[in-house]
Amino acid sequence: EDQVTQSPEALRLQEGESSSLNCSYTVSGLRGLFWYRQDPGKGPEFLFTLYSAGEEKEKERLKATLTKKESFLHITAPKPEDSATYLCAVQAPSGSARQLTFGSGTQLTVLP
Amino acid sequence: DSGVTQTPKHLITATGQRVTLRCSPRSGDLSVYWYQQSLDQGLQFLIQYYNGEERAKGNILERFSAQQFPDLHSELNLSSLELGDSALYFCASSVSVDNSPLHFGNGTRLTVT
Repeated sequence: EDQVTQSPEALRLQEGESSSLNCSYTVSGLRGLFWYRQDPGKGPEFLFTLYSAGEEKEKERLKATLTKKESFLHITAPKPEDSATYLCAVQAPSGSARQLTFGSGTQLTVLP
Repeated sequence: DSGVTQTPKHLITATGQRVTLRCSPRSGDLSVYWYQQSLDQGLQFLIQYYNGEERAKGNILERFSAQQFPDLHSELNLSSLELGDSALYFCASSVSVDNSPLHFGNGTRLTVT
């Protein structure tokens, strides 16, 4: 069974204080690892897809990296508007069916 | 705005009742997914449709059913509702069944009293 574990559960940072969020996964044959941002009362917003170990993607202050066992979301010089819950999800081969397995998320709070 | 539209935004109903949640996918997306999000279980996959056909089932209860119509909109039917069914129900869509990203709507918050 596919498993995704995110840590820490919650993270409080001062504005400008860089940090990283972790997503550890167990899946037989990764087809893609996805990062989403979710604001309260909203649906998850797509950020990145990573397909293979060594791959990196960047968007503004966010950078996602992937190894064979985990992914990191690095946040550089965060701002209060980066406060949200960050979700990681994995997709394993399953023919024509797609089923993302989500982690429980990291709730990030950036203080001004 | 993801382009995925869900209605209604909020729904309050009593135990034992039946409700229907509606989802319109992004223009051009053929695949629709339903997820349930509760405080204690996170985002749980319920069911997937592709171009009108059911493609995958996750942790969907027998009291729940879904369908995708020829115009590609989808409905999730929840019946014999219990208190524990209170949750956020999200619809997502994607272009196809490969590893293209899912785009989520803003959900329907269901409260069962």
